[in-house]
Amino acid sequence: KAGVTQTPRYLIKTRGQQVTLSCSPISGHRSVSWYQQTPGQGLQFLFEYFSETQRNKGNFPGRFSGRQFSNSRSEMNVSTLELGDSALYLCASSLVAMGQGGELFFGEGSRLTVL
Amino acid sequence: GQQVMQIPQYQHVQEGEDFTTYCNSSTTLSNIQWYKQRPGGHPVFLIQLVKSGEVKKQKRLTFQFGEAKKNSSLHITATQTTDVGTYFCAGAGGSQGNLIFGKGTKLSVKP
Repeated sequence: KAGVTQTPRYLIKTRGQQVTLSCSPISGHRSVSWYQQTPGQGLQFLFEYFSETQRNKGNFPGRFSGRQFSNSRSEMNVSTLELGDSALYLCASSLVAMGQGGELFFGEGSRLTVL
Repeated sequence: GQQVMQIPQYQHVQEGEDFTTYCNSSTTLSNIQWYKQRPGGHPVFLIQLVKSGEVKKQKRLTFQFGEAKKNSSLHITATQTTDVGTYFCAGAGGSQGNLIFGKGTKLSVKP
């Protein structure tokens, strides 16, 4: 079966712009979670959506937002981009809500560079 | 809030040596998962531990969950160059039922 698909894979933006990243989970998976990965910082949790509802949110400013559609596809948006937002953004899907014992399946990530 | 600390941050070993990474949680976990991320890749699920004192093996990899369900370890026997990557633990627990990732241990193996 198809894995988790993230688009775009690479993008370059300038400070002040906004960006939207997309994540299509594995068919049947209702949970989509998003992470920011930078060197030395590991996987920093952004938020989780389950059945179109934001279930958990990490410690990121309000410039980071997301949503989930009825088909479980999810988008995350970052407004007013800053240089420090340059990172690999990973999404992961799971059959069950995060922390309930389900395995996370990660996408390849979207690498964002902010100039 | 809940924190998961993972050590060491980096480990360099000679091929054939053993390797261990440790995770410690500030709170009792309901379960803990381990993931491996190869260089340039994305994290891939390795295993989940649920029971107190649980030990699971996958070939040269041994995973343990502490009796108090607050710590865990991953031990690799006789490392190979294919073991290179970053190993993350992720602990589930807390009132929000979140999954908290450790910062990972980056393993390099010298042939």
